[in-house]
Formats: sequence, C-alpha cells, structure tokens
Amino acid sequence: TQLLEQSPQFLSIQEGENLTVYCNSSSVFSSLQWYRQEPGEGPVLLVTVVTGGEVKKLKRLTFQFGDARKDSSLHITAAQPGDTGLYLCAGIRGANNLFFGTGTRLTVIP
Amino acid sequence: GAGVSQSPSNKVTEKGKDVELRCDPISGHTALYWYRQSLGQGLEFLIYFQGNSAPDKSGLPSDRFSAERTGGSVSTLTIQRTQQEDSAVYLCASSLGGTGDEQYFGPGTRLTVT
Repeated sequence: TQLLEQSPQFLSIQEGENLTVYCNSSSVFSSLQWYRQEPGEGPVLLVTVVTGGEVKKLKRLTFQFGDARKDSSLHITAAQPGDTGLYLCAGIRGANNLFFGTGTRLTVIP
Repeated sequence: GAGVSQSPSNKVTEKGKDVELRCDPISGHTALYWYRQSLGQGLEFLIYFQGNSAPDKSGLPSDRFSAERTGGSVSTLTIQRTQQEDSAVYLCASSLGGTGDEQYFGPGTRLTVT
C-alpha cells in the first residue's frame, strides 16, 4: 500500500503546454518534497514545502502544499523538453520517516 | 565536491548468489539511506543510518537483506540468496542531518538477478 499516490502516472505533452501533477495522501505530513529524476541518475531535490497552503515557485514550476498538509501539486507552465523526467513527491512524518510517492513520468515532445 | 558514489553501477547475478552493493556518502553527512526502485517507479525505503544511533531497518523486505555502515561513512547493502524479484535499482542517499534535510542521491546500482 502506497502512502502517497501520484497522478497521472504517465504524461506526454507537446512543448509549450501546461501541466499539473498531483500527490495525494490520507495522512498528514510535516513537510513535503518534490524531486526530479533523469534516466541513470538519482533523484534531485527541487523544493521543500512546510506550511499548509504554502506556494513556492521555481522559474516555470509552481509547487503548492495543501491546507491540511495531506496533498501537494506541481504545475509546470510552458513545458520544455528539458523538463522530461520522473517527478517524485516525498512526505516527511516524524523524525526519520520519508515516504516517496508512486512517481509521474513526464515526456515533453519538441 | 564529490557527490554520493555507488558501486558497482550494474550487477548481474544468478539466483541464489549473494551480492554486496557499496555506497560512499558525501563527507560529513551523518545520515545515510538505502532505497529500492523498480521499473522507474517510486522509491521504496529500505534502511536509514543516523550517526551512531541504531539503524532504522523497518523497510527491509526480508531477513535476506542487511546493511552496515562502517565508521559512520561507507555503507554496504548485502542481499543473500538473491531472488528474481530482487532485480531493481538500489539507490543510496546521504544528508547532512535528519530526514528533513535535502537528500543527495547516488546514481544507483542496477541489480539483475537471472
């Protein structure tokens, strides 16, 4: 049983389009992280959100933490081929419990 | 500076054999994690080392899996009597402090059990 479900699991879009990836759980997290992973490499941290309702922007990427700290979303504006990769959310509970989501594989077609 | 390194990058082994996977964390990082990733999906937590504390082994899937961290630095993940379902990418990460800190991942070891 996965604690964090991501949707969609796969997403293929044209360059320039917008997209949103969702990370949902029935559990509350003290904070939530988003990572991106490219083939043959480990995940790389993009952002950490801590406060319920928090919104963080990283260039064309906008991250939001749900008010109840159970869910999060990642919105990409004007997607580019360089955005292609596996996006993973990860929720933190307690002192040393980090739970990764199921992942969303994004392909941006030039 | 050097990042997290893992070796070997690829390992093919026969069912029933034992394998050892190595992780060299970033110098000075007190926390070290092992994860398993199947078919490019999400990460499955295996084990967590923090300083001199007893490791959190709650994610190890069976008693065939074990891990050590010597001198608070290098870690070895051992899988005994490998099974085909053990085939996956094994990722190691380290962080400066606890779980809330950014984790820096190695490139992983791709294990294939034939």
